[in-house]
Amino acid sequence: KAGVTQTPRYLIKTRGQQVTLSCSPISGHRSVSWYQQTPGQGLQFLFEYFSETQRNKGNFPGRFSGRQFSNSRSEMNVSTLELGDSALYLCASSLDTTRPMGHEQFFGPGTRLTVL
Amino acid sequence: KQEVTQIPAALSVPEGENLVLNCSFTDSAIYNLQWFRQDPGKGLTSLLLIQSSQREQTSGRLNASLDKSSGRSTLYIAASQPGDSATYLCAASTGNQFYFGTGTSLTVIP
Repeated sequence: KAGVTQTPRYLIKTRGQQVTLSCSPISGHRSVSWYQQTPGQGLQFLFEYFSETQRNKGNFPGRFSGRQFSNSRSEMNVSTLELGDSALYLCASSLDTTRPMGHEQFFGPGTRLTVL
Repeated sequence: KQEVTQIPAALSVPEGENLVLNCSFTDSAIYNLQWFRQDPGKGLTSLLLIQSSQREQTSGRLNASLDKSSGRSTLYIAASQPGDSATYLCAASTGNQFYFGTGTSLTVIP
């Protein structure tokens, strides 16, 4: 069974630009969560989607948004990029249908975003 | 808000040694706790998931325990190998989201 895939793996953008990252979950998984990982803050939860609906959200500004498609693939968008948005963005999928964070999470390799 | 702490931040051991990694969480009302390993620049690999009703889980040389009342989980690695060198992260789920610790960087010296 194929794992979680993320594209692109690396991105370089400049301040003020916007970026879209993509995540394809494991086949059959309906929950997709996004995290930001930085050396200073560690892993921080961005949001979680289930059946095309955002079910949970972390404490990030509105510049960070996401969506999920009917095939469970998910995208996250960051608008008006800031230097501090440079990070490894990870997505995770889980099987769950009723308790979104109650099942084992499987992570993708991440997208490394550098903002210049 | 759930806070997760991992001590020590870094650990260096000779090959073959048994070791214990610690994870503490402030809110005992967790749904489950999951241990991961992360290699440099890579994503997270799931190691063990312990449901709140369980006390421990085992996979090969790994054993994870959970004590909700004291807010602690430990990951025991038996007979460590150089390939075990990585950062180990624990994450506590409240049912709405996972809260991650900052990790323990493990180096196993051949």
